[in-house]
Amino acid sequence: AQKITQTQPGMFVQEKEAVTLDCTYDTSDQSYGLFWYKQPSSGEMIFLIYQGSYDEQNATEGRYSLNFQKARKSANLVISASQLGDSAMYFCAMREDYSGYALNFGKGTSLLVTP
Amino acid sequence: EPEVTQTPSHQVTQMGQEVILRCVPISNHLYFYWYRQILGQKVEFLVSFYNNEISEKSEIFDDQFSVERPDGSNFTLKIRSTKLEDSAMYFCASTGESNQPQHFGDGTRLSIL
Repeated sequence: AQKITQTQPGMFVQEKEAVTLDCTYDTSDQSYGLFWYKQPSSGEMIFLIYQGSYDEQNATEGRYSLNFQKARKSANLVISASQLGDSAMYFCAMREDYSGYALNFGKGTSLLVTP
Repeated sequence: EPEVTQTPSHQVTQMGQEVILRCVPISNHLYFYWYRQILGQKVEFLVSFYNNEISEKSEIFDDQFSVERPDGSNFTLKIRSTKLEDSAMYFCASTGESNQPQHFGDGTRLSIL
């Protein structure tokens, strides 16, 4: 079974608009971490934001915020005020603390920001 | 800002040859990882390394693969006899504590001919 599901293979958003990238996860661990990474066309993996399972507040990092809904097992990434440079693949990943510390990635969402 | 460095950026190798991918993790980090990403697919975990030994490995990480920390700074992934299906982007990552975000290098694109 997929641990991380990203249901949107591709998304479009206009510059300066906000966009939400969906991520749902599956785990029976009580302690886990959720991550979002950005992969531009050049190929590198850039860490964006992290949410721990025990964190009560949603994580924010500049224009990025993570909408964490624990009961629904979702960890959606919200990008506010999109910029052309936000065009990239976005991967959601999970670390399960009782199963080791490897990251389990979703298949990614390709975001295209248009002028 | 400190970063994970990987060399080479692109490696082309004949099938059956050995290849060594090199990584310099962030200097005060203690946990090291290798992942791979076949073109157009998701990132897959290969192996994690802590305290000079493998702490976890995936089914992909079979006897053809090995990792080593030959000195205080480098972390290497060796593929003993490469196959066509080993063609992928290989990422090294490191973190200071096991439950903190992993920081990735820019990757090595491995092409097997």
